Amino acid sequence: DAGITQSPRHKVTETGTPVTLRCHQTENHRYMYWYRQDPGHGLRLIHYSYGVKDTDKGEVSDGYSVSRSKTEDFLLTLESATSSQTSVYFCAISESGSGDPTDTQYFGPGTRLTVL
Amino acid sequence: GDSVTQMEGPVTLSEEAFLTINCTYTATGYPSLFWYVQYPGEGLQLLLKATKADDKGSNKGFEATYRKETTSFHLEKGSVQVSDSAVYFCALKSTGGTSYGKLTFGQGTILTVHP
Repeated sequence: DAGITQSPRHKVTETGTPVTLRCHQTENHRYMYWYRQDPGHGLRLIHYSYGVKDTDKGEVSDGYSVSRSKTEDFLLTLESATSSQTSVYFCAISESGSGDPTDTQYFGPGTRLTVL
Repeated sequence: GDSVTQMEGPVTLSEEAFLTINCTYTATGYPSLFWYVQYPGEGLQLLLKATKADDKGSNKGFEATYRKETTSFHLEKGSVQVSDSAVYFCALKSTGGTSYGKLTFGQGTILTVHP
């Protein structure tokens, strides 16, 4: 298994509070991604990173920000959580991004976030 | 933009039945195609992949063939087991350009196999 951990694994918070989710990898992969999983939508990309301090938005980035100050850590922040952000959040990593068609994304165990 | 459409679920089968989960896609260029599986309470695991037309990916008795002419990547297994009960996701990765390897997922298909 790829060395990916996410913390916390479960969190319950209240509307309007800030929340930070952490993804940590031990594979030294360049690319990291944050997805959210919701019933009927599969997984949707929130933000991604293609190197330290290099990040960009995905398809559902509103209300989220990210930071990557080290290769191994990719943080996802909800500045002011809303009930619509209740979801399961997955981090993923890959070595080559789009440069290698055979390159595979590996996923972390997920964080279940509930916003009351 | 890119999109993936999976057959609606849930799918309920008896053990040893034949499984097909349909997946079709829309993409520019020549994407790579993947099937991921998610067991209850766990993250996604790569099941199989194919990176060019007519490639067949296979793993654990599951197979899928990259059909460019029909833009499809249907998942099949000849004889399912109770342990195959999970959610199955079809996904594509656009290659080249500024896609940075992002995956586009289908909505997932829940499979339940009864003894």
